[in-house]
Formats: sequence, structure tokens, C-alpha cells
Amino acid sequence: GAVVSQHPSRVICKSGTSVKIECRSLDFQATTMFWYRQFPKKSLMLMATSNEGSKATYEQGVEKDKFLINHASLTLSTLTVTSAHPEDSSFYICSARDGTEKFGSNQPQHFGDGTRLSIL
Amino acid sequence: SQQGEEDPQALSIQEGENATMNCSYKTSINNLQWYRQNSGRGLVHLILIRSNEREKHSGRLRVTLDTSKKSSSLLITASRAADTASYFCATASNFGNEKLTFGTGTRLTIIP
Repeated sequence: GAVVSQHPSRVICKSGTSVKIECRSLDFQATTMFWYRQFPKKSLMLMATSNEGSKATYEQGVEKDKFLINHASLTLSTLTVTSAHPEDSSFYICSARDGTEKFGSNQPQHFGDGTRLSIL
Repeated sequence: SQQGEEDPQALSIQEGENATMNCSYKTSINNLQWYRQNSGRGLVHLILIRSNEREKHSGRLRVTLDTSKKSSSLLITASRAADTASYFCATASNFGNEKLTFGTGTRLTIIP
């Protein structure tokens, strides 16, 4: 159980294109999802916390107009990188927490397999 | 340095040996979690230890937590080639906001 599907796994596109990444919880309801960015051989940096039915909470330094997050249902959150540029190239990973679990901070997060974004 | 620094950054051992990775953090925590990441993939949760626990086991994994030293260790016994991956510790704060702060990671290579 607790499977998170992230799509697409890889995107290569031209500078100026907007790219949408989907994160789905397949067998549980996720009231909260998280979006991370990871540079090569580096750790995960939290970009934003996505809450179902409300606005996302962005970490300091993350441009909310650049990285649009929508969490319209309990099983789907999307991250749209708007007008992507080469510096946006990175590995983006989402995670989700089962909303039915009590004491959420004492439960693990379930991760998607990531999206490798390459902007030419 | 960031919350959650891991040591060593890279570790290579022979198959069958034990691997130990350490994690240090700075602020008070609710729990500490260990995750594994295979190259180019997402993270897989390994084990969670709460702030009031000192040691936890899961199969070949043993995790310790010393809140007085703000440190944790992950021991993998009888390592296998399939254990080759990056290992990250992540801390959840006391503020209950569910955010995880990840460490810098240890790249473990098991030599067959």
C-alpha cells in the first residue's frame, strides 16, 4: 500500500515552455503533499507544502508564481514550472502523507519516483 | 551547515560487512526518519524513531537516537549488493507541521 505515482518521469523541453508534473496517491487520500527539488548528488530541498483545497505554503526563496501548485483533490497535486529556463533543470520529487493517519508528523512520507526536468 | 548532516558522505564496503552511517541535527525534533534513494529514483522510507525512543530495529537495520547529542546512526548488517544507494536522515520538528528536513546523505557502495 501507500503508493505515490509521479508523472512524467522525464521531460526535455525548450526554454520558455511551461511544464506540469503530476503527483497522485494511488491507494490513500493525501490531504498534504510535499514538493522537493534535488540537485545532483545533493539532498532534497523542500519547495512547498501542498494542502488539499487551499493554497500551497512555499518555502523561503521559492517563487510561487514560478512554481504553481494545485491540490484540487485528495489524490492529486500538480506542480507547474512556468516559463522554464535552463536553471530550472533539476530532479523534482513529490511526497504524500496518508490523511487518515493520526499524528501525521509521526508517520512517514511516501515518495514518488521523481521527474527529471531538462530545459534546453 | 544545514539541519541533518550525515557522515560519512560516501562509504564503500565489501558485501557481508556492516555499514554504519551517522546523522547530526541542530534543533529539537519530534522524530527522525531514515530513507533510501536508488540512483535517479524517489525515496523509500526505512525506519522512523521517535524522540522518546533510543533504539529501533527492522530486519537488518538498527537505528539509534541520542537526543542529548542530537545525533542518530543507521547500521545495516550483513550488507548486500542491493543495499547500494544513498541514505538520508530526515527530521520532523516539534511544531507538528509535518515538514521534513533532510540531511546531506551518505552514498553507500557495496562491493560484491
